[in-house]
Amino acid sequence: LAKTTQPISMDSYEGQEVNITCSHNNIATNDYITWYQQFPSQGPRFIIQGYKTKVTNEVASLFIPADRKSSTLSLPRVSLSDTAVYYCLVGDAIRGYGQNFVFGPGTRLSVLP
Amino acid sequence: KAGVTQTPRYLIKTRGQQVTLSCSPISGHRSVSWYQQTPGQGLQFLFEYFSETQRNKGNFPGRFSGRQFSNSRSEMNVSTLELGDSALYLCASSLGLDRNTGELFFGEGSRLTVL
Repeated sequence: LAKTTQPISMDSYEGQEVNITCSHNNIATNDYITWYQQFPSQGPRFIIQGYKTKVTNEVASLFIPADRKSSTLSLPRVSLSDTAVYYCLVGDAIRGYGQNFVFGPGTRLSVLP
Repeated sequence: KAGVTQTPRYLIKTRGQQVTLSCSPISGHRSVSWYQQTPGQGLQFLFEYFSETQRNKGNFPGRFSGRQFSNSRSEMNVSTLELGDSALYLCASSLGLDRNTGELFFGEGSRLTVL
């Protein structure tokens, strides 16, 4: 399983764009990169998933360089409600097996007014 | 459709007791995985079940066990509770099949306190 490294914490202000980078040097060919968001006392919630290049949905974008050894979650124009812990996971999601994704410590994002 | 349901939400036990937690996955999901979350260790994988079979297991002692029923509902059991077992136990379900996104849908968790 690929191990991930993320910043422990980040601060931002409302309306700014936030980029959280995750390093996963040992990512395997079949591994996908998935990001989750977690609020206190709740289970994590899926944000976005990608394999390479760029993926965008209604809440975030995910940038993955060609070597796939890192990925960047981009949250446009954050609000106070985006204050949460963000986890980067790497695993073989498409195969549906071994969904024992390794959750790292995550990045605690604090959005200030 | 209904999300992942975990029961009970909160429970208090004493050392040496055992506990059983329940998880009802989203309808149609065949994979259920369990996680332990503590402030010190973060989110740690316990095990995953797919079609009533344990498919993967994390690095937890044998006191932690689980099972899955034919309707995909899952239970996990912790025997001989220790103080360090106090945690939020999260269940996640997914389709668990090939060619799906692998997105995990988490419940709100069962918060266990061991006194």
